[in-house]
Amino acid sequence: DQQVKQNSPSLSVQEGRISILNCDYTNSMFDYFLWYKKYPAEGPTFLISISSIKDKNEDGRFTVFLNKSAKHLSLHIVPSQPGDSAVYFCAATGSPYSGAGSYQLTFGKGTKLSVIP
Amino acid sequence: NAGVMQNPRHLVRRRGQEARLRCSPMKGHSHVYWYRQLPEEGLKFMVYLQKENIIDESGMPKERFSAEFPKEGPSILRIQQVVRGDSAAYFCASSPWTLDRDNSPLHFGNGTRLTVT
Repeated sequence: DQQVKQNSPSLSVQEGRISILNCDYTNSMFDYFLWYKKYPAEGPTFLISISSIKDKNEDGRFTVFLNKSAKHLSLHIVPSQPGDSAVYFCAATGSPYSGAGSYQLTFGKGTKLSVIP
Repeated sequence: NAGVMQNPRHLVRRRGQEARLRCSPMKGHSHVYWYRQLPEEGLKFMVYLQKENIIDESGMPKERFSAEFPKEGPSILRIQQVVRGDSAAYFCASSPWTLDRDNSPLHFGNGTRLTVT
């Protein structure tokens, strides 16, 4: 039972264009969402996060949008650069007050982004 | 990923042997989390430890797997009598006293890739 789904295993984008990575979740207890970037043979690196009380969070070229009613979030990268080529993981967690445990991140399977020069 | 040190980076074991994976948290961090990534999957939570204490091991298989985080030294994830299905990347993450999601999301090490032959 996958609670966090990334339905696109891969995505190719031209350098300079926008990359949009999508993520859907099913667990209504999730209230905090994160994106991690992972290069081969390395651990995941935190990229950006968003709390469920917001619908948008921006950090430089990276913006995360959250649509709670649709249980959907997306990561926008503008402009895309070749160094952005990596696997991107969407992750979610619930409030510690709900008992879900804020440390228990539930990850999607990842989307491999290739930015073509 | 700087700061969380995992070793070895690669570990090959024959079926039935024991595997020991070590994780040294970032300086000043007293909480350690282990995640496992099976091939073509996202990371899955295994266990959360504080010094000398297992807080949550709900994601860890009941048999053959154990984890510890002693007062001195690294955290150890131990897998006894390994089987081929244990082949995966094992990632450790650490955090300071309490996970402050907005200011210190989990930071991961580069992982140990276990191959069982």
